[in-house]
Amino acid sequence: DVKVTQSSRYLVKRTGEKVFLECVQDMDHENMFWYRQDPGLGLRLIYFSYDVKMKEKGDIPEGYSVSREKKERFSLILESASTNQTSMYLCASSVPTGTDTQYFGPGTRLTVL
Amino acid sequence: KNEVEQSPQNLTAQEGEFITINCSYSVGISALHWLQQHPGGGIVSLFMLSSGKKKHGRLIATINIQEKHSSLHITASHPRDSAVYICAVGSGNKLVFGAGTILRVKS
Repeated sequence: DVKVTQSSRYLVKRTGEKVFLECVQDMDHENMFWYRQDPGLGLRLIYFSYDVKMKEKGDIPEGYSVSREKKERFSLILESASTNQTSMYLCASSVPTGTDTQYFGPGTRLTVL
Repeated sequence: KNEVEQSPQNLTAQEGEFITINCSYSVGISALHWLQQHPGGGIVSLFMLSSGKKKHGRLIATINIQEKHSSLHITASHPRDSAVYICAVGSGNKLVFGAGTILRVKS
């Protein structure tokens, strides 16, 4: 079974703090994705990566950056957290065709005070 | 207008009822996915469709490519089916998601 894990289930941070969210997958998938999920808006793509050190902006990259130094690990960074970044963050991975099944992590509910 | 529209947004059903959730999309796609999200956040893939119909247990998914429409049906619904059901379409190498349908099945 594919396993995608995220570093925290719940996180509370203060405005202006730097926040790291980590995602690890164990199936040697090339593609990894970071989404945020907000009520009524569904999942929106922040960034995705199709290989080590490769990244591409999604629909809402502003205020975020990513890092992929190893194939199994994809990190999302909030350089200076703001209250409008309070959300559920979900990581996913998939094989290279991209539109194949994505496997999701359990999510991190981030609250920025 | 969103590229992927789901209806209804919320649905409450009695145990045993037949349930239909609809998804319409406006972009060209290579595949359509139905996903399920239980309280607590975890998302699992139910179906991936590029044509026709698929069945898994009490769940049936259909797609009409010409009409750009898909339906997810649940037969003999049960309280454990209560979840958010999400439609997503494959466009390029990414997925575009609908806003989800919140389903509550009462016993």
